[in-house]
Amino acid sequence: NAGVTQTPKFQVLKTGQSMTLQCAQDMNHEYMSWYRQDPGMGLRLIHYSVGAGITDQGEVPNGYNVSRSTTEDFPLRLLSAAPSQTSVYFCASSRTGPNEQFFGPGTRLTVL
Amino acid sequence: AQKVTQAQTEISVVEKEDVTLDCVYETRDTTYYLFWYKQPPSGELVFLIRRNSFDEQNEISGRYSWNFQKSTSSFNFTITASQVVDSAVYFCALSEANMEYGNKLVFGAGTILRVKS
Repeated sequence: NAGVTQTPKFQVLKTGQSMTLQCAQDMNHEYMSWYRQDPGMGLRLIHYSVGAGITDQGEVPNGYNVSRSTTEDFPLRLLSAAPSQTSVYFCASSRTGPNEQFFGPGTRLTVL
Repeated sequence: AQKVTQAQTEISVVEKEDVTLDCVYETRDTTYYLFWYKQPPSGELVFLIRRNSFDEQNEISGRYSWNFQKSTSSFNFTITASQVVDSAVYFCALSEANMEYGNKLVFGAGTILRVKS
């Protein structure tokens, strides 16, 4: 099993550009989520999904979109990148419920 | 609203010392889950433990132990005889016990642990 995979590992964007961070898992987990990690703030939930076709907002959803067309994939879209979105982004998956979450390796995004 | 506070921003110890990482949480739920994750310098997040609010027994796993006290809303993590490989950022996290709506974690800010040889 590859677990949770994320691409790309690093990305530099200019302000206003859009892009999609990819996330995939091969554990047949119903629940997937995106977090961002900023210094001194821990990880904060951006969006999450409890199954294909179902998504909802987390704590910091502004400027991001998600969709869940399959169980395996949960891409995160930045619509118009801003310097405030410079961060490390983690995708995670788990069985539904308060279970151990498996995290991807992260994507380090810099917005200039 | 749920909140997790890790007041220790950074701790430095010498190898073989014992070290305790503090975690204090706030929630209005009567049923909830607490977690600890480790983030080594390589950057990945590693699950360490999950504890539900009804189980106040202390947990021990090798050199790691956890002390859950509902009365003080704390879930502290102790490493006995620390090693250089324990150097990492440690996160405490809180989740509501909603089986239908998944697993939204609220993280603390993390504690950087540096173990010197």
